[in-house]
Amino acid sequence: EDKVVQSPLSLVVHEGDTVTLNCSYEVTNFRSLLWYKQEKKAPTFLFMLTSSGIEKKSGRLSSILDKKELFSILNITATQTGDSAIYLCAVEDEDNTDKLIFGTGTRLQVFP
Amino acid sequence: GAGVSQSPSNKVTEKGKDVELRCDPISGHTALYWYRQSLGQGLEFLIYFQGNSAPDKSGLPSDRFSAERTGGSVSTLTIQRTQQEDSAVYLCASSSGSALQSSYGYTFGSGTRLTVV
Repeated sequence: EDKVVQSPLSLVVHEGDTVTLNCSYEVTNFRSLLWYKQEKKAPTFLFMLTSSGIEKKSGRLSSILDKKELFSILNITATQTGDSAIYLCAVEDEDNTDKLIFGTGTRLQVFP
Repeated sequence: GAGVSQSPSNKVTEKGKDVELRCDPISGHTALYWYRQSLGQGLEFLIYFQGNSAPDKSGLPSDRFSAERTGGSVSTLTIQRTQQEDSAVYLCASSSGSALQSSYGYTFGSGTRLTVV
């Protein structure tokens, strides 16, 4: 059964800290991995990763995929209170095209 | 429309009643998905519509749940004889095809928070 596991479940940091969020997965035929940020109810897209070792970057956020070890990390540097959210990792399985399997998410709280 | 629209945004219902949740996807998006997010849980897949193909209903938790998509656009998720464990946020998403074809993956609506009392 396809599975996505995120860690830690919860993280509390101070502004300026750097955080690393982890996502490991088991899928029959991997197609892509996506990261989302969920602040209220609707998750918003951050990154899509399909190839190992290629870092995707957007401002203070970056992410990389390791298809050999079956995991991805999401890094946030110089965190701000506006980064407080649930970060969701999702994987697309080639055998179940277009159906994303989500992890439980990591709840990040950034305090001033 | 500019985004995925869901209604109502909040719904409180009594146990045993039926509810209907509506999703209006982005115009032109052929794929539509329903997910459920219970407290402390990740997003749980419910059902997926793609064009005129038969929907993938593999995630529906029981026969009290059903969904339809009329005219390839608006979708309605119906929960019959609601139970307290149905309380969750129900999220709808649409895409133009596979997550790979759309570099932005899915576009989510703001969800409907369902509370069964």
